[in-house]
Amino acid sequence: GAGVSQSPSNKVTEKGKDVELRCDPISGHTALYWYRQSLGQGLEFLIYFQGNSAPDKSGLPSDRFSAERTGGSVSTLTIQRTQQEDSAVYLCASSLGRVGTDTQYFGPGTRLTVL
Amino acid sequence: RKEVEQDPGPFNVPEGATVAFNCTYSNSASQSFFWYRQDCRKEPKLLMSVYSSGNEDGRFTAQLNRASQYISLLIRDSKLSDSATYLCVAHSGYSTLTFGKGTMLLVSP
Repeated sequence: GAGVSQSPSNKVTEKGKDVELRCDPISGHTALYWYRQSLGQGLEFLIYFQGNSAPDKSGLPSDRFSAERTGGSVSTLTIQRTQQEDSAVYLCASSLGRVGTDTQYFGPGTRLTVL
Repeated sequence: RKEVEQDPGPFNVPEGATVAFNCTYSNSASQSFFWYRQDCRKEPKLLMSVYSSGNEDGRFTAQLNRASQYISLLIRDSKLSDSATYLCVAHSGYSTLTFGKGTMLLVSP
């Protein structure tokens, strides 16, 4: 069946521009997560959705970062006024239900480069 | 102190060798643990969960030592296809998983 998909796969933008990253989770998965991974670094948690609500957004690095999820499905991560340090691979994952119990399935990621 | 720590490696081993990775976690409230595998420029994929009693899946064995707060992964009879980065993951009972930075394994012919 279809896995987690993300778009675009690559995004190059200029410093100061806004970008929007999209995640389509596996159908029926209620939990959705955003992470980012910088070169040589581990996965950094950004935000977690259960349904359309975000009970944990503690990982968002600044108020330039926001995310929403609609219809319990698609999620978008928006980065405003991008900075060079925002360059990373942004990974989305989904799981059937409870985090820590149900397997997280990752999408292929969006590679963001801020020039 | 980082919540989940791993030796970054790389571990260079020949085919057929046995190799073990350890991972330590700082949050004693962590309840469940996992090993993920990540190939170069690919997304992480679940390799196996780690149970208190230890568990085995083919050539892979995972162990948990709660007293010392570490998790291990043993790979027997290494294959070339095992070359990847292995991520240790802890779940603390809140909503998120905490990933280590990973241990790189390189298996050579």
